[in-house]
Amino acid sequence: QLRLRESGPRLMKPSETLSLTCNVSGGSVSSNSDYWGWIRQPPGKGLEWIGTVYYTGTTYYNESLKSRVTISVDISNNQFSLHLTSVTAGDTAFYYCARHGVTIHYWGLGTLVTVSS
Amino acid sequence: IVLAQSPATLSVSPGERATLSCRASQSITNLAWYQQKPGQAPRLLIYAVSTRATGIPARFSGSGSGTEFTLTISSLQSEDFALYYCQHYNNWPPTWTFGQGTKVDIK
Repeated sequence: QLRLRESGPRLMKPSETLSLTCNVSGGSVSSNSDYWGWIRQPPGKGLEWIGTVYYTGTTYYNESLKSRVTISVDISNNQFSLHLTSVTAGDTAFYYCARHGVTIHYWGLGTLVTVSS
Repeated sequence: IVLAQSPATLSVSPGERATLSCRASQSITNLAWYQQKPGQAPRLLIYAVSTRATGIPARFSGSGSGTEFTLTISSLQSEDFALYYCQHYNNWPPTWTFGQGTKVDIK
């Protein structure tokens, strides 16, 4: 059974770079039929797609975040990562990793990242 | 493409029918619905407009076409009180968009 687990810092200061990793078990990030993505949700608010990576390294990003986001895949460790630069309080959110195609079938449990000085 | 969900909050009694709406800013052909409970990740309910995901009870159904889509819960159970989001995939450039959500709470 596929399991996705996010890891990374929970508390950050403004202007720092957020780095999260999604460890994948029960599946392979080298699958040619799946995309691997990040979605976030500010507390009490809705869902926002951040970006997605394919096993080839091809990436797709939300235009609103594109200038600050990098998503990469690490096939040897069966994981993929999110880097978000110059964070502000507005980046405080639950961050979910996911396996998806057109539809998001599998979600990680999510991790709350708080940006505060 | 922008997805607008209505109503923002729907108050329903257990056993009653709930109808949630998702309107797209232009005609689309793929739409999914997710359920989210407090402290949990979203769970896929419906994909490809009307196909129930694995393990989803038959009381959940999706319908619609063009710009108007509906999620219907035929007889609300206590475990169905939650947030519901619609989601669309745009083929090019590849983007995944969510509606702002509808909260179904107990009347």
